[in-house]
Amino acid sequence: AQKITQTQPGMFVQEKEAVTLDCTYDTSDPSYGLFWYKQPSSGEMIFLIYQGSYDQQNATEGRYSLNFQKARKSANLVISASQLGDSAMYFCAIPTGNQFYFGTGTSLTVIP
Amino acid sequence: GAVVSQHPSWVICKSGTSVKIECRSLDFQATTMFWYRQFPKQSLMLMATSNEGSKATYEQGVEKDKFLINHASLTLSTLTVTSAHPEDSSFYICSASPSLNTEAFFGQGTRLTVV
Repeated sequence: AQKITQTQPGMFVQEKEAVTLDCTYDTSDPSYGLFWYKQPSSGEMIFLIYQGSYDQQNATEGRYSLNFQKARKSANLVISASQLGDSAMYFCAIPTGNQFYFGTGTSLTVIP
Repeated sequence: GAVVSQHPSWVICKSGTSVKIECRSLDFQATTMFWYRQFPKQSLMLMATSNEGSKATYEQGVEKDKFLINHASLTLSTLTVTSAHPEDSSFYICSASPSLNTEAFFGQGTRLTVV
């Protein structure tokens, strides 16, 4: 099983500012993928961004980017230009096969 | 992306009754689907792995007689909460992936309230 830690249970950010959500992990797999999901209050899980352990460049998807530091087993999510609609729970996850293991989550609140 | 549909999105039932939740992959076949349970402000906890044509694999501590899983086709898995009690009230969500080691696609989730 993968072990994933998100040390920030709650975060606040001013609208239009950038925010970094932390994620550290422990895996024995030589090759793995790191996913970030957003879960608004409606409960749906929305895929945000992915990075493979052997990808050379940090992944970016619009306002989302990954600060991936493999040696430190860290994959922080950076959200730039925060919007009110970004307020949600955020989970990082690593799969084994198609079974996903999730971190404890970070509740992000964007302040107008 | 691929679509996973879960039904119902919310249900209220009386204590002692059973509730069935459906999870369908709409545009791909899934030999494996996953059922998670989530309490408020907590992470998703894997309950069981649903395997098409064979028995589900349950995580430690999950009662297989209480949470019945059936995966009768490549596009449908069902979770039945039998003899529901108030402590079973939770958010249940399923996931599936169209191929190995790709992103998981989630159903919309089901909020179960047992009164």
